[in-house]
Amino acid sequence: DADVTQTPRNRITKTGKRIMLECSQTKGHDRMYWYRQDPGLGLRLIYYSFDVKDINKGEISDGYSVSRQAQAKFSLSLESAIPNQTALYFCATSATSEADTQYFGPGTRLTVL
Amino acid sequence: DQQVKQNSPSLSVQEGRISILNCDYTNSMFDYFLWYKKYPAEGPTFLISISSIKDKNEDGRFTVFLNKSAKHLSLHIVPSQPGDSAVYFCAARGGSTLGRLYFGRGTQLTVWP
Repeated sequence: DADVTQTPRNRITKTGKRIMLECSQTKGHDRMYWYRQDPGLGLRLIYYSFDVKDINKGEISDGYSVSRQAQAKFSLSLESAIPNQTALYFCATSATSEADTQYFGPGTRLTVL
Repeated sequence: DQQVKQNSPSLSVQEGRISILNCDYTNSMFDYFLWYKKYPAEGPTFLISISSIKDKNEDGRFTVFLNKSAKHLSLHIVPSQPGDSAVYFCAARGGSTLGRLYFGRGTQLTVWP
């Protein structure tokens, strides 16, 4: 079984809809991250959390919110989706003792029409 | 503003030859650098890293070189194999914030037989 899982893997939605992307991990890591990847733009950090009570904005947090429901779960919400949020979204985790080595989930491909 | 730059979006190399992927950074506070590899439909996976106190780190066919004065690092793959065909991301640790990584835009490596 995968250590970092993301659901759904693919999602098509319409402008203005609320959508939630979920991430779960079995690695026991404290730190979790949400990134988006756009063609030619690499990976950009949306939000990160260093423990259950800690939430931090990344480079591109506008239009997104997150919830760290438990050590193993970190969800990303788009309150009102817009077409330029069409992208590939990745969740990642890392251990505090090995903070720079991040383990990524398989990604969620989101399309906003 | 892109703090980690990969100026070559693609690289094509014949099997058995050396692949050299380059990365430049602008933030002199970066002190730890990583390379990730990404196959289609998968999340990025950690490949190799280097601390700023070193100028070289080797792991099998993969070697990373760091030139701090030039703010430049490179990943050498020798010999290149078709299975190395993937997108390679350069990443740097963001100053004193452990676990906060800044990624380049990636280089698509194609190794042909």
